[in-house]
Amino acid sequence: GAVVSQHPSWVICKSGTSVKIECRSLDFQATTMFWYRQFPKQSLMLMATSNEGSKATYEQGVEKDKFLINHASLTLSTLTVTSAHPEDSSFYICSARMPGDQPQHFGDGTRLSIL
Amino acid sequence: LAKTTQPISMDSYEGQEVNITCSHNNIATNDYITWYQQFPSQGPRFIIQGYKTKVTNEVASLFIPADRKSSTLSLPRVSLSDTAVYYCLVDKAAGNKLTFGGGTRVLVKP
Repeated sequence: GAVVSQHPSWVICKSGTSVKIECRSLDFQATTMFWYRQFPKQSLMLMATSNEGSKATYEQGVEKDKFLINHASLTLSTLTVTSAHPEDSSFYICSARMPGDQPQHFGDGTRLSIL
Repeated sequence: LAKTTQPISMDSYEGQEVNITCSHNNIATNDYITWYQQFPSQGPRFIIQGYKTKVTNEVASLFIPADRKSSTLSLPRVSLSDTAVYYCLVDKAAGNKLTFGGGTRVLVKP
């Protein structure tokens, strides 16, 4: 149980395009999902908390207009990197939490490369 | 948010037990301690979670002293495939935020 699926796993696109990443909880409902970013050899950095049916909460320094988050259902959250540039290239990872005192479960990440 | 401190790296050999200690001096009453494992280019994988004393599952044990200011993840009889980064986090039971520290890079040698 507690499977989180992330899609796509790898994407390469040109500078200026927008990229959407999906995060799905496959066997449980997640009222809260989280988006992280990880640069090579570094730890995960929380970008935002995604709450079903409401606006996401962004961490300090994360541009909400750049990283659009939508959590339209209890099993799906999306992160859209708008007008992506090479500096947005990174490993993006989502996680979801089951209700109660349960740990977060992570997707396998999306490697984003902007040319 | 409670800050955690772990060793940057540890080397071990196949078949040995690996113990990774994490310090979390400012842990709050309702914080849980959670450990994750991460392989390159993959998301973190949940290993174990505990609140106090000892927790054991099929892959690891977690030892938490009474003051809860530290915890030790114990991996019995490691294999080469246990080479990974291990993260210790304190996690509010009803809260939202996980703050990842630097983690511990464990290298298991043949």
